[in-house]
Amino acid sequence: DQQVKQNSPSLSVQEGRISILNCDYTNSMFDYFLWYKKYPAEGPTFLISISSIKDKNEDGRFTVFLNKSAKHLSLHIVPSQPGDSAVYFCAASEVYGNKLVFGAGTILRVKS
Amino acid sequence: DAGVTQSPTHLIKTRGQQVTLRCSPKSGHDTVSWYQQALGQGPQFIFQYYEEEERQRGNFPDRFSGHQFPNYSSELNVNALLLGDSALYLCASSLVGGRVDTDTQYFGPGTRLTVL
Repeated sequence: DQQVKQNSPSLSVQEGRISILNCDYTNSMFDYFLWYKKYPAEGPTFLISISSIKDKNEDGRFTVFLNKSAKHLSLHIVPSQPGDSAVYFCAASEVYGNKLVFGAGTILRVKS
Repeated sequence: DAGVTQSPTHLIKTRGQQVTLRCSPKSGHDTVSWYQQALGQGPQFIFQYYEEEERQRGNFPDRFSGHQFPNYSSELNVNALLLGDSALYLCASSLVGGRVDTDTQYFGPGTRLTVL
């Protein structure tokens, strides 16, 4: 039972343009959502999070949008840079600090 | 400020053997979680330790066990290894009662386990 789904295995974007990564979830008890970035041979790096009481959170070039009625969240990266090329994981938890449920990841390639 | 560290980096074992992986949390963190990441998949939660006790557990068999020490470091033990246990094992640390927007789970680089 995949509670968190990232339906796009990969995404290719031109440098300077917007990257939009999508994530859907099925568990209505999820209260806290996060995005992680992972380079090869490294552990996931925390990017940005959002709690269910918000619909948007920004941090520099990264913005996460949450649509609770659609059980959908997205990560916007503007402008995209070649260094953003990595695997991006969406994760969710029912309670802050408790176990994270991850999607399968989306490979982002930013072309210069 | 030291981040999450894990040892060893790589490990090769044969079926039926036992393995112990180690994790030191980020400075100031008191909670350690372990995840298994198979090739092409996202990390899957194994268990979480806080105050030296298992606080939460995912859908993993009893062959997977852990321990947390008074200095908050942790071990993951896997007995009777199977070929399917080959994966990247990730440790994440966090702080109970920390700030929601910043004190989330921080991951180490992982231990790559290969079972032959």
